Amino acid sequence: GQNIDQPTEMTATEGAIVQINCTYQTSGFNGLFWYQQHAGEAPTFLSYNVLDGLEEKGRFSSFLSRSKGYSYLLLKELQMKDSASYLCAVRDSNYQLIWGAGTKLIIKP
Amino acid sequence: GAVVSQHPSRVICKSGTSVKIECRSLDFQATTMFWYRQFPKQSLMLMATSNEGSKATYEQGVEKDKFLINHASLTLSTLTVTSAHPEDSSFYICSAVAGDGGELFFGEGSRLTVL
Repeated sequence: GQNIDQPTEMTATEGAIVQINCTYQTSGFNGLFWYQQHAGEAPTFLSYNVLDGLEEKGRFSSFLSRSKGYSYLLLKELQMKDSASYLCAVRDSNYQLIWGAGTKLIIKP
Repeated sequence: GAVVSQHPSRVICKSGTSVKIECRSLDFQATTMFWYRQFPKQSLMLMATSNEGSKATYEQGVEKDKFLINHASLTLSTLTVTSAHPEDSSFYICSAVAGDGGELFFGEGSRLTVL
């Protein structure tokens, strides 16, 4: 079956760096997405990786290794507003999005 | 970036009534839109894929007669929850694919409370 794993919850300190991992097993691969979702709100797009390597976008970076079925989202210079759930999603060979359960990130002062 | 608008953002209704939620792509044409529901502290659950001009494709376990989806134009898809019951109370979110890159943009979500 298809499966995406990411930690349920993580805690980090304001100003620090945190890495949220995502491993996947899907029928084919056509890209991996990271979304941020604040409580009670819809997800917002953060990043898209389809080739191996690191994509940097401001304080956020996303890494992909297709051979390992692995991605991570790196958040630098954490701010309190970064407290949210971070969703990893993989598009399979049928272009269906398979969603992870999300990682709740708690930022402490 | 592309904008998807969802309305209403919150709705409270009595059990047995029907509720319609609209999803509009404001600055692009969306041949495909997706409808999700999300229970508290859980991930998004895809309900159906809405294709313009054709019938929606429902995920297993989703009642198509209860959750009516209409995608009458390239910018509008609607989800109607018919004869709503308290167990239908949830956060409903739509999304649309923009451009060839296939990036997914989400509406703001609609919180349905059925009394």
